[in-house]
Order: sequence, then C-alpha cells, then structure tokens
Amino acid sequence: ETGVTQTPRHLVMGMTNKKSLKCEQHLGHNAMYWYKQSAKKPLELMFVYNFKEQTENNSVPSRFSPECPNSSHLFLHLHTLQPEDSALYLCASSPSTGGPGANVLTFGAGSRLTVL
Amino acid sequence: LAKTTQPISMDSYEGQEVNITCSHNNIATNDYITWYQQFPSQGPRFIIQGYKTKVTNEVASLFIPADRKSSTLSLPRVSLSDTAVYYCLYFSGAGSYQLTFGKGTKLSVIP
Repeated sequence: ETGVTQTPRHLVMGMTNKKSLKCEQHLGHNAMYWYKQSAKKPLELMFVYNFKEQTENNSVPSRFSPECPNSSHLFLHLHTLQPEDSALYLCASSPSTGGPGANVLTFGAGSRLTVL
Repeated sequence: LAKTTQPISMDSYEGQEVNITCSHNNIATNDYITWYQQFPSQGPRFIIQGYKTKVTNEVASLFIPADRKSSTLSLPRVSLSDTAVYYCLYFSGAGSYQLTFGKGTKLSVIP
C-alpha cells in the first residue's frame, strides 16, 4: 500500500467518548501533520511532527492529543469533544519541514468526525 | 502567517483554458509557490510548485513574474473532472513552520 492512509474514514462520537484517529504513510517521509477542515472554512494546521518530534502546536485545545510513535504513524486522540469539533480531519506527510520539500504535502483522504 | 489572495470562484466551459491568479505580496526570497487541488471530501493534492518564471508538468503550468508577488495557475483544456477547489500557498519559514491554506478558488467546469 502506498501514500497516506487514514482510519477510520467516518467516526461518530458522543461528547464523553474517547476515540482515536490513525494515520500511516508509506512514503518514507520524515514530517507528518494534522489539519482540520470545517465546513466552509480554510484548512487549519493543528500539529506538525518532524522525525517523531512535535515542532508545532497551533494553539489546539487539549481535548485533542497527538501521538507520533515513529515517522510512519501519527495518531490523534480525542476526548470530551464538542459538537463544533465536527469536521474533516486530514493527515499529511512531507519529506521534511524545511526547504522546497516542505511545500509538497501528500494528504490522506481524511477522517470525517461527527460529535453529537 | 503567509497570506495569499485569489478569486473565490470561477466558472469555465469544458475544453477552455483556465487561468487562476493568486497574489502573495509578502513572499520572501526563499519561499516556493505551491498549488493544490481539492475534490469534495478528499484531502488536497499537490499540483505544481515553482520559484520563478514558468514551470510546466503534465497537469498544469505555473507562471511567476519577476517580482514574484503573484502567480498564475494555468489549466489547459479543462474537463468536468477538473471541478475542484484550487489553493495557492507558499511556505513562510521565519523560524516557525506554517504552511497556510487560504479559502482557495472554487472552479466549476460547465459542460
């Protein structure tokens, strides 16, 4: 399997649930990202990891907790979310976070999250 | 943050060439200009990247004038499957990683 794979594709959860989104890339990239896309809003960068180390946390609420065990896997742990957190969550990877390669992201298909 | 300005929407008939222009007045010397395409309920897909003058690949051409304060994505002979949102962006390093997507241009191709 190639590219960036996200699971699950769709998730419905209550505000008291705990769930996780998973992202896996088979491109040999060193940087991975979480973006959030709400209806009719631009993509919002949430977290950046470079060589497993978090390099950016874009003022994301603590109810979103990322985890990057290695350069190929990225998780987003969710707990006590709010209905306004319903969105498409996109994972991406790139060769690096610096230089021309930093502009070239490969995105997954996204996980559509609905919080009831 | 790296701010770009592009039209909110455009319509085109099938078979026509489409040019989408983006302005990026605050682009820095080392920044590359990148365009992405996004279909509904999918992640964006990289189309083309350039630094100056003209770049062409199998999908599109990118024209960048000498002052680099704008760029134009050119899609030759569009088809219905080119209906998507097109994003122009550039990497603004400045010590902190930020690859910022704007609202993009929604291109609708009409039969």
